[in-house]
Amino acid sequence: NAGVMQNPRHLVRRRGQEARLRCSPMKGHSHVYWYRQLPEEGLKFMVYLQKENIIDESGMPKERFSAEFPKEGPSILRIQQVVRGDSAAYFCASSPPGGSASYNEQFFGPGTRLTVL
Amino acid sequence: DAKTTQPNSMESNEEEPVHLPCNHSTISGTDYIHWYRQLPSQGPEYVIHGLTSNVNNRMASLAIAEDRKSSTLILHRATLRDAAVYYCILRDKSRAGGFKTIFGAGTRLFVKA
Repeated sequence: NAGVMQNPRHLVRRRGQEARLRCSPMKGHSHVYWYRQLPEEGLKFMVYLQKENIIDESGMPKERFSAEFPKEGPSILRIQQVVRGDSAAYFCASSPPGGSASYNEQFFGPGTRLTVL
Repeated sequence: DAKTTQPNSMESNEEEPVHLPCNHSTISGTDYIHWYRQLPSQGPEYVIHGLTSNVNNRMASLAIAEDRKSSTLILHRATLRDAAVYYCILRDKSRAGGFKTIFGAGTRLFVKA
């Protein structure tokens, strides 16, 4: 059973370009979370999605950032018109459906390291 | 959101036990206490979680205070591979009905050979 997969692992963009980060959750998982980690800092929650629905985007910047989790295919975190401050590691996590989700373990991917030149 | 407080860093000798403390004085009755760790250049990995009772698994033990306002992650025999940032987390149900994880700064554990 493959773990959470993210690609690309490293992404370099120039200021003003778009960045697309992909996350394939573990098999059978229908909950996806995105987190951002700035250098030497802890992880910050960005958005929580279920299939075709955004459940909580309270940590997502209001402009330039968007996320989706379509019925088919991976979850996508999209950053438009990137700026240097967007340089960070972006981690995706997934968790299984159902049950009492308060204690559900989240499985994290290896992250995508975005560098904006 | 209930928050946690952890020491910035701790140091341990290899093969010795390590006790990583966490304070969560504003924990609510339905918050579960989770511990994750992040090895260098990797994503976080789950270590253990609990609600009220102490918990053991193959990686570690979790001791939870009777009033639940603090907890301690116990690594019984630290190895060099245990050098990581350890996060104590309260799993919180967001206002929108989902479940997000609020990470603090964590404790950076150094293990000396």
